[in-house]
Amino acid sequence: EVQLVESGGGLVQPGGSLRLSCAASGFTVSTYTMTWVRQAPGKGLEWVANIKEDGSDKYYVDSVKGRFTISRDNAKNSLYLQMNNLRAEDTAVYYCGRGTAVAVWGQGTTVTVSS
Amino acid sequence: DIQMTQSPSSLSASVGDRVTITCRASQAIKNYLAWFQQKPGEAPKSLIYGTIYLQSGVPSRFSGSGSGTDFTLTISSLQPEDFATYYCQQCDAYPFTFGGGTRVEIK
Repeated sequence: EVQLVESGGGLVQPGGSLRLSCAASGFTVSTYTMTWVRQAPGKGLEWVANIKEDGSDKYYVDSVKGRFTISRDNAKNSLYLQMNNLRAEDTAVYYCGRGTAVAVWGQGTTVTVSS
Repeated sequence: DIQMTQSPSSLSASVGDRVTITCRASQAIKNYLAWFQQKPGEAPKSLIYGTIYLQSGVPSRFSGSGSGTDFTLTISSLQPEDFATYYCQQCDAYPFTFGGGTRVEIK
């Protein structure tokens, strides 16, 4: 069964860091573009970042450039999102997904940035 | 950035109704348009990619159409499980952007 399971969310103070993980099963992450999407409380979906199949190309929404880093560990078949210098506006449920137009979604992990 | 505008933002419909949701891009995006369904408290679910292609397992009452800047999601006969929020997304140019969503409610 194809599945994505996120972890690593939590409560963090403004300016702090978190690393989100997304463990894949049933397929190999290195053969797909992988994506992070977030959803602030009561709001719509926002595309955050993706990483191409070969890992050489990474793209980010402007609001996270320079603060967030997407990466992949092929040996662990996992996707990551390193989030630094977090702001209140980064508070959201973060979903990982398979594909450019995400076809497979994880269940999400909640990040709350608050003092 | 490409702006995606969905209309209406919400609608009320009855079981069996034909429902149409529109998504307009601020510039031409070829056919790189996807649709997603999201129910409260759940992750989104992919319905359509490439404007017209149904994801595996999606009922045939869902269909997509359009080109250039104007796209449509149609539900031919609304079922109880279809009451949800629907989002479009363009995947033509970074950053990939979503529409604001259309909430489909029970009349």
